[in-house]
Amino acid sequence: QVQLQQSGPGLVKPSQTLSLTCAISGDSVSSDSATWNWIRQSPSRGLEWLGRTYYRSKWYNDYAVSVKSRITFNPDTSKNQFSLHLNSVTPEDTAVYYCAREVWSVATGWHAFDIWGQGTMVTVSS
Amino acid sequence: DIQMTQSPSTLSASVGDRVTITCRASQSINNWLAWYQQNPGKAPKLLIYKASSLESGVPSRFSGSGSGTEFTLTISSLQPDDFATYYCQQYKSYSPYTFGQGTMLEIK
Repeated sequence: QVQLQQSGPGLVKPSQTLSLTCAISGDSVSSDSATWNWIRQSPSRGLEWLGRTYYRSKWYNDYAVSVKSRITFNPDTSKNQFSLHLNSVTPEDTAVYYCAREVWSVATGWHAFDIWGQGTMVTVSS
Repeated sequence: DIQMTQSPSTLSASVGDRVTITCRASQSINNWLAWYQQNPGKAPKLLIYKASSLESGVPSRFSGSGSGTEFTLTISSLQPDDFATYYCQQYKSYSPYTFGQGTMLEIK
């Protein structure tokens, strides 16, 4: 079955870059029927979608406007994973970060976020 | 952004009760709505997609309905594992995808 395994530090200093990786098993990061997403959750913001990366003959990234100037996604086909890089972090970026798959099928259409990583609590503090 | 508003924010119920949670979208999202269940310290779990389609492996006591701007999640007979927080999410527009604020279902 499809699984997403997250890794990365739980503590980042203000103004530095938050980097997380999501390793995929049971599916491919370059699948033409899936998108690979990052979502975060905090008491103040609730569940907040940060963006997605996907492959349709070439790579595409869609970013939420709220973080667009600071965020980058990097798919890695050799390791079948994708990563999140959020720079210039502040304490407001403290949250649990999740990666998640959105999949499409002929039978069901778009399936919302059907597979999630385990979550990574990231604290921004000096 | 499409705003998603859930009600109630908290719901107290007993095992065996039938409960309904409502989600309203600030504009039409057709049927591009999902429902998730989240337990403390865990990732959200997909229950319903396309407003009324039951995700594989999810018990049939969960059902969803609605289209346009008004949606409901119904649990026909509450079981102990159902006491959790529930979220709706629209995926009509990825600019951005948005979630409701959550409904905490607690034991009465």
